[in-house]
Amino acid sequence: DAGITQSPRHKVTETGTPVTLRCHQTENHRYMYWYRQDPGHGLRLIHYSYGVKDTDKGEVSDGYSVSRSKTEDFLLTLESATSSQTSVYFCAISEAGGANVLTFGAGSRLTVL
Amino acid sequence: GIQVEQSPPDLILQEGANSTLRCNFSDSVNNLQWFHQNPWGQLINLFYIPSGTKQNGRLSATTVATERYSLLYISSSQTTDSGVYFCAGAYNTDKLIFGTGTRLQVFP
Repeated sequence: DAGITQSPRHKVTETGTPVTLRCHQTENHRYMYWYRQDPGHGLRLIHYSYGVKDTDKGEVSDGYSVSRSKTEDFLLTLESATSSQTSVYFCAISEAGGANVLTFGAGSRLTVL
Repeated sequence: GIQVEQSPPDLILQEGANSTLRCNFSDSVNNLQWFHQNPWGQLINLFYIPSGTKQNGRLSATTVATERYSLLYISSSQTTDSGVYFCAGAYNTDKLIFGTGTRLQVFP
């Protein structure tokens, strides 16, 4: 996966619990993204980062927060998970933002009971 | 924001057949990419093609930016081509918007 590691790869949790997904890259790319994939919706952008401590919202950011304290790590946090956040979450990286190729991690499957 | 429409939603082919997948955008884009998601969920970038034509083996893509659409051609399809094909676009932004995909099944 081109130096992108997502963890955990699978997680089952209960409604109301906090969850953090981690994306780690070894490519030293400036841009990092979190998408969620749901049947019938394709991939939808949650948040992205264009540098350390620089983040912006995507299409479906409600209920999610992110942090990027180092170039290589981008964390996605669900403060209080809900069943509607059951999904497959993909991290992606890009060397030069929108003008460059997006490369995806393997995905993290989250189930909220 | 930009709306991305892909067609057809589903496609079933026999090995060796050719196919064309289409992606329409509601507004101009200057960043357009095609992806393939295999049956195991892995997403692979196929093309970065904001305009013009590119070819990679049996796959080629053409984007007509002025008419806001892109086509992905698959020739002599193989069972390993099965999966979902996504297009995604953006205009002067880092927020790439995806279509809902075309699911392709290739049978031997």
